[in-house]
Amino acid sequence: DTEVTQTPKHLVMGMTNKKSLKCEQHMGHRAMYWYKQKAKKPPELMFVYSYEKLSINESVPSRFSPECPNSSLLNLHLHALQPEDSALYLCASRTRDTTSTDTQYFGPGTRLTVL
Amino acid sequence: GNSVTQMEGPVTLSEEAFLTINCTYTATGYPSLFWYVQYPGEGLQLLLKATKADDKGSNKGFEATYRKETTSFHLEKGSVQVSDSAVYFCARYSGNTPLVFGKGTRLSVIA
Repeated sequence: DTEVTQTPKHLVMGMTNKKSLKCEQHMGHRAMYWYKQKAKKPPELMFVYSYEKLSINESVPSRFSPECPNSSLLNLHLHALQPEDSALYLCASRTRDTTSTDTQYFGPGTRLTVL
Repeated sequence: GNSVTQMEGPVTLSEEAFLTINCTYTATGYPSLFWYVQYPGEGLQLLLKATKADDKGSNKGFEATYRKETTSFHLEKGSVQVSDSAVYFCARYSGNTPLVFGKGTRLSVIA
């Protein structure tokens, strides 16, 4: 099973709202990722967690706050977003096993609209 | 640095036509190479992968061969179907660097 799940599938929020995106995987992967994808563009890396610790933050504004409560869960907390933050947010995971082929598996994404 | 260059789309083909989507990568390190597919309104799905030179990845009738001498990983399919209409991303991964994507190629297959 190579499934990464994400909830919600769609989210509409105002600029003053606080909301959270959730990602879950049960493949035992120890690296998890958040990406942002605008229309007709490739995914852009936002954050990387390795063994539940934040290892990469690609200069993402503080209105995006990631959290990794355990090895299976990854959250993205959203606060005071701007309309230009509207995008598809993708979660991915990868095993950190040295025998792996370094494959990242992606979830279906959350389509976020900021009004 | 690490980069991936893939042919610009969109590509429009008739059903049962032969498909090639070109992809080249920078030769830094010994990257693993991937093709991901994104159907409308969905996330990315791994289509195929290759981890070393001369490896051939294949899935659902698609194939790509890791060519070190030409630093290429072109995607091919002998006979496309309408259901293959999607955006295809070539990507590379090396060591602990993030996954690097090409810009994506939109494929439309018409009946």
